[in-house]
Amino acid sequence: DSGVTQTPKHLITATGQRVTLRCSPRSGDLSVYWYQQSLDQGLQFLIQYYNGEERAKGNILERFSAQQFPDLHSELNLSSLELGDSALYFCASSQGGSLHTQYFGPGTRLTVL
Amino acid sequence: DAKTTQPPSMDCAEGRAANLPCNHSTISGNEYVYWYRQIHSQGPQYIIHGLKNNETNEMASLIITEDRKSSTLILPHATLRDTAVYYCIVRADDSWGKLQFGAGTQVVVTP
Repeated sequence: DSGVTQTPKHLITATGQRVTLRCSPRSGDLSVYWYQQSLDQGLQFLIQYYNGEERAKGNILERFSAQQFPDLHSELNLSSLELGDSALYFCASSQGGSLHTQYFGPGTRLTVL
Repeated sequence: DAKTTQPPSMDCAEGRAANLPCNHSTISGNEYVYWYRQIHSQGPQYIIHGLKNNETNEMASLIITEDRKSSTLILPHATLRDTAVYYCIVRADDSWGKLQFGAGTQVVVTP
C-alpha cells in the first residue's frame, strides 16, 4: 500500500460525458501527478501540481483539466469523453518535485462506451 | 531526459537472481537512474534509484557502470510475485514532473 488513494476504482460512462477522478496523496506529500495508461500508448504523464499550483504539463488534452485543493487532494476532470479516453488513470504523489520519489495509487479504470 | 533501452522480455527461475539490463548511453551528468515495476494493471511501484554509485535496498540492487551508460537491476532471489513489467527511467535532478516510462521489460518468474 503506497498511501495514495484514488476513487473510484472503476468508472463506466458514455461518449460525450464528463467525469471526475479523485486522488488523495500520501500524508505530507505536496506534489500530485496524473498519468494515463492506455493499451497503445503506455504510461503517459499528464500533469503535476505542487502545493496547489500547476508545476509541469505533459500531453494533456484540452478536454482534460486538473486542480489541487488546499487540503492537497487533487481531481482530474475529463470532459466530452471519447472512446479513446478509455484507460487506466494513475495518480502519484511525492514530498516535493524534482528528485523526490513518486508513489503511485492503485488507479482508476475508465471505460467509455 | 535521456532515453533508455531495455529488452522487451525475460524469464527467470524462482529462487534465482534476475538481472535486468538497461542502456542509457546519452545520460547526462545530472541524470539519475530510476527503476519502477508494475504488476499487472496495478500502480507502478518504486524499486530503487542511483546516480553513479551502486545502490542496494530491501528489494533490489542497482549496478551502474563507471561510464554511466548502462545499468543492471538485480533481484537477488526472484519469487513468483516479482512477475511484472520493470521500467528503467532516467531523470534529471532539475526536472520537475514527469517520469518518462518506456515499454519496459516483462519479467516472468517461473516455478
